[in-house]
Amino acid sequence: DVKVTQSSRYLVKRTGEKVFLECVQDMDHENMFWYRQDPGLGLRLIYFSYDVKMKEKGDIPEGYSVSREKKERFSLILESASTNQTSMYLCASSFDPRFRAQITEAFFGQGTRLTVV
Amino acid sequence: AQSVTQLDSQVPVFEEAPVELRCNYSSSVSVYLFWYVQYPNQGLQLLLKYLSGSTLVKGINGFEAEFNKSQTSFHLRKPSVHISDTAEYFCAVSDRDSGYSTLTFGKGTMLLVSP
Repeated sequence: DVKVTQSSRYLVKRTGEKVFLECVQDMDHENMFWYRQDPGLGLRLIYFSYDVKMKEKGDIPEGYSVSREKKERFSLILESASTNQTSMYLCASSFDPRFRAQITEAFFGQGTRLTVV
Repeated sequence: AQSVTQLDSQVPVFEEAPVELRCNYSSSVSVYLFWYVQYPNQGLQLLLKYLSGSTLVKGINGFEAEFNKSQTSFHLRKPSVHISDTAEYFCAVSDRDSGYSTLTFGKGTMLLVSP
C-alpha cells in the first residue's frame, strides 16, 4: 500500500515562530504537493514539487516555502507563523504522467492540524 | 485556470435512500476527474476516477459517477446510502496536458446520513 506520512497530526505554535511540516512517501512518486484545507474553501494548493530540489508555486504560496532535498521527503515551512495560517495541512504524492505509462491518482497523508496562537 | 463547482455544501439524506452529489468543472479541454472522500479527522481517500473510456465509472463502497463532456459534469451517485457514508466528498479535476498532474478541488459536499 502507498503510504504518505505526515510527521504530526496536531501542532500548536506561537505567532512569529518558524514552523516545519514534514511529509514522507514510500512509493517513489515524482510529484509531491502541499494543500491547506479550510471549511467552506475546500483544498487549495500551496506548493508542489515534481523533482528533487524543484518547486512550483500553487494558488496560495504567500507566507510559505518548501524544501525537497530527497525524492521521498517534502517539507512545508512557515517562515513566521501567523494566526491566519491556522488550518489543516494535507500532503499528497503521485506519479508524474510525463514519465510513467500509468496514470494514477494522488495519495494523501492524514493531515496536520496546525493552530497558531 | 480550472475551477470545480460542487453545487451543494451539505446534502442530508435518510439511510437507504439514493443520493447524488453534483460536480461541474470549468474547462473544455481534456481532463481527468476524481472523487475523494474524507472521514472526520482523516486524509482524503480516492472513491473513483475517470481517465478515459466508459463514461460510467464505478468506485469503492457502491459509489459510481458519470462523466458528461457536453455538460462538463461528473456527478457522484449511490443507490442506497448507509450511516457510515457520512463524510465530506470532494470532486477534483486535472488537465490532461498540464504536465504536473496538479489537482483542482471543489469546496466539498458534506453528506449527512441519518437513520
